[in-house]
Amino acid sequence: DAKTTQPNSMESNEEEPVHLPCNHSTISGTDYIHWYRQLPSQGPEYVIHGLTSNVNNRMASLAIAEDRKSSTLILHRATLRDAAVYYCILRDVSPAGSEKLVFGKGTKLTVNP
Amino acid sequence: DTGVSQNPRHKITKRGQNVTFRCDPISEHNRLYWYRQTLGQGPEFLTYFQNEAQLEKSRLLSDRFSAERPKGSFSTLEIQRTEQGDSAMYLCASSLAHIGNNYGYTFGSGTRLTVV
Repeated sequence: DAKTTQPNSMESNEEEPVHLPCNHSTISGTDYIHWYRQLPSQGPEYVIHGLTSNVNNRMASLAIAEDRKSSTLILHRATLRDAAVYYCILRDVSPAGSEKLVFGKGTKLTVNP
Repeated sequence: DTGVSQNPRHKITKRGQNVTFRCDPISEHNRLYWYRQTLGQGPEFLTYFQNEAQLEKSRLLSDRFSAERPKGSFSTLEIQRTEQGDSAMYLCASSLAHIGNNYGYTFGSGTRLTVV
């Protein structure tokens, strides 16, 4: 089962910043926080991941709370191409060592022109 | 490398027929995953290979489903005696993993299966 909680949908205006929240209160010390997004009719696309410190890349920034029980994906200037479903995921590792991403329903982001 | 390739993109089949999908991962990636996605839901994990070994299978993967990854390269997912409930998007992903790293997954565009 997904271990994260996200709002079902959010709306933004073009060229404005977007903050997408995620709660993961049961996170363990070794869980990485991953974000993926899925554009219509495409497979999910990796956005960013982090463990404890805030992370930046060319697509977005990831702000992780000090207690790691929540995080926020930040799109600095939303464009129409950022309209997608955004998934916040904790990487699941089994006792046997195999690992996988367990997706929830994500947040559907609508960007208004 | 053009990323993860899945074929076919679309498949329409009659109930009871068998179907096979193919996934070609990024060549240096040693891990390969199959997921299934229905409308309005996030992708659901089906199975996972590390090289040629199938290390984990979801309870969603009934006896009618089988996946292989011969020689640790491409993978196939076969569904036997298809049912209407099998209609979904089947996604493949690959990743490069070894102790100490945490790389992201690269997904293909999926195969959309419609069972009529």
